[in-house]
Amino acid sequence: DGGITQSPKYLFRKEGQNVTLSCEQNLNHDAMYWYRQDPGQGLRLIYYSQIVNDFQKGDIAEGYSVSREKKESFPLTVTSAQKNPTAFYLCASSTGLAWGTDTQYFGPGTRLTVL
Amino acid sequence: QQPVQSPQAVILREGEDAVINCSSSKALYSVHWYRQKHGEAPIFLMILLKGGEQKGHDKISASFNEKKQQSSLYLTASQLSYSGTYFCGTESTDSGAGSYQLTFGKGTKLSVIP
Repeated sequence: DGGITQSPKYLFRKEGQNVTLSCEQNLNHDAMYWYRQDPGQGLRLIYYSQIVNDFQKGDIAEGYSVSREKKESFPLTVTSAQKNPTAFYLCASSTGLAWGTDTQYFGPGTRLTVL
Repeated sequence: QQPVQSPQAVILREGEDAVINCSSSKALYSVHWYRQKHGEAPIFLMILLKGGEQKGHDKISASFNEKKQQSSLYLTASQLSYSGTYFCGTESTDSGAGSYQLTFGKGTKLSVIP
């Protein structure tokens, strides 16, 4: 079955440690996205990538980094510079073929808790 | 800038109808609607493009008023399975062709009770 996988589902880290969240898709999509979700805040875009080896900052990129070395993978690193990293992180992908009609498909999410 | 959704929350009894609104201060190219159950991934419902579209499937439909930069999601004869948080995502013409960026509202929590 095609889809997006994120691992792990729950992640605990000590303050000051970097942590990398995994996102893999087998939908052959060109575009991939990372969102952060906090209670009552909706989804906020962290980074997105429209093609391999290229990515752009979203609205809240500070304290995060990404890489896109393979089409199917878009890992997100939450660095120690992120002041409030505890949140639910969602990865999404889309074909990247049609602006305005490009449906985003979401992974199951990773809930990160920094202790 | 985030689109504004209203109401923030609504409680319905099975069989009742609901309307969720999404307004933007920007000129929009499209509006996307998603539903999310607690702790799960958002699920795509529908996309509406500028031009004043109206779409629907089953008992869930939506409209897009391009002049007012508003979209409304209509849920009729609600079922227990409709419970969840509904998000609108907007794609602004300011973003430029090919940006594929969606800006999401804060969501509307819908609870359907027996």
